[in-house]
Amino acid sequence: GDSVTQMEGPVTLSEEAFLTINCTYTATGYPSLFWYVQYPGEGLQLLLKATKADDKGSNKGFEATYRKETTSFHLEKGSVQVSDSAVYFCALSRGYQKVTFGTGTKLQVIP
Amino acid sequence: EADIYQTPRYLVIGTGKKITLECSQTMGHDKMYWYQQDPGMELHLIHYSYGVNSTEKGDLSSESTVSRIRTEHFPLTLESARPSHTSQYLCASSDIYEQYFGPGTRLTVT
Repeated sequence: GDSVTQMEGPVTLSEEAFLTINCTYTATGYPSLFWYVQYPGEGLQLLLKATKADDKGSNKGFEATYRKETTSFHLEKGSVQVSDSAVYFCALSRGYQKVTFGTGTKLQVIP
Repeated sequence: EADIYQTPRYLVIGTGKKITLECSQTMGHDKMYWYQQDPGMELHLIHYSYGVNSTEKGDLSSESTVSRIRTEHFPLTLESARPSHTSQYLCASSDIYEQYFGPGTRLTVT
């Protein structure tokens, strides 16, 4: 079955540091890939997505590239802010089917 | 911003009580979901629905039940709450592109 593996947290960074959160997946066919973010006390919201190989999703300074050859979708940001502190979920979906989520990575950014 | 709502946001109740967590969406989505989120943050799918009068159990066994009488409404019910039901419950709906989440209900059973 489908699965998503993402790096365990928590990840603690200083403000303006470079962020990478690794995500790899297992799925048949050509899934769409997503990063969701959950701020404290809230539900999840879509951060970015990519629907085919070599697509790059981007939003709010975050980027992730759909790498089919390595089955990866790593999240990156060049300079994190305290307001980026949240839990980040990598996910995949194959068409009109249930979404498979990773276990979440908590990011804490300290001033 | 997604138009999906959950009430109540926070609920503290005693053991044995019956409770219903409400979830509504105004986007006309056929597919809706309930997730339980444990303190370790991981999401567990407990129920989903592909449309009116369609409900299925998810990947994690749950003592809760759901109903889908109207497209926009997907309530979750616990007939007799127990402390083991203490958790965060997230409702979501989806189109073909992504899932949209409500703000969640934080349930504490004492």
